[in-house]
Amino acid sequence: DAGVIQSPRHEVTEMGQEVTLRCKPISGHDYLFWYRQTMMRGLELLIYFNNNVPIDDSGMPEDRFSAKMPNASFSTLKIQPSEPRDSAVYFCASSGDRSSQPQHFGDGTRLSIL
Amino acid sequence: GESVGLHLPTLSVQEGDNSIINCAYSNSASDYFIWYKQESGKGPQFIIDIRSNMDKRQGQRVTVLLNKTVKHLSLQIAATQPGDSAVYFCADTGRRALTFGSGTRLQVQP
Repeated sequence: DAGVIQSPRHEVTEMGQEVTLRCKPISGHDYLFWYRQTMMRGLELLIYFNNNVPIDDSGMPEDRFSAKMPNASFSTLKIQPSEPRDSAVYFCASSGDRSSQPQHFGDGTRLSIL
Repeated sequence: GESVGLHLPTLSVQEGDNSIINCAYSNSASDYFIWYKQESGKGPQFIIDIRSNMDKRQGQRVTVLLNKTVKHLSLQIAATQPGDSAVYFCADTGRRALTFGSGTRLQVQP
């Protein structure tokens, strides 16, 4: 079975540029989560969706970050404009339930902002 | 606020020995706990989970113990193998969707 698919795997861009990260969740999963992982802060939940609706975006760092889920099989996380401190690995995960089933993670997008 | 933490940042064991990775959580309302394994360059991989109405659950070579009284989780890996080398995270689903601890790196010595 296909797991969570993220693209691109790596992204290197200059500060000020717009960055778009993409995620395809596991089919049938109603929940989709975006995380950021850094050495300093570990894994942080940025936002999650239930049935394509954003439920909790309290982890989104600032207005430069936005996330959408136009349909059940696709989500984007956008950073505009990007800054060097946004450099991190961004993970997408999906699950069938928020609090009784494990989340399944993609392999992440390694983002470097120069 | 809620937090999930780990006692030891790095654990080194001999191949074939048993490993025990510990985790403390602070949110007494947490009712579901998960252990993940993360290898270099990959996303966290689900290992085993446990609900708050249980105190022990076993999988293949892994056992999770939950002590709600002291808000403590542990992951036991039997007969540790080189392929078990990774960072291990505990996580709980309390008020937010999932809160991760800082992770423990398990190093398996041949």
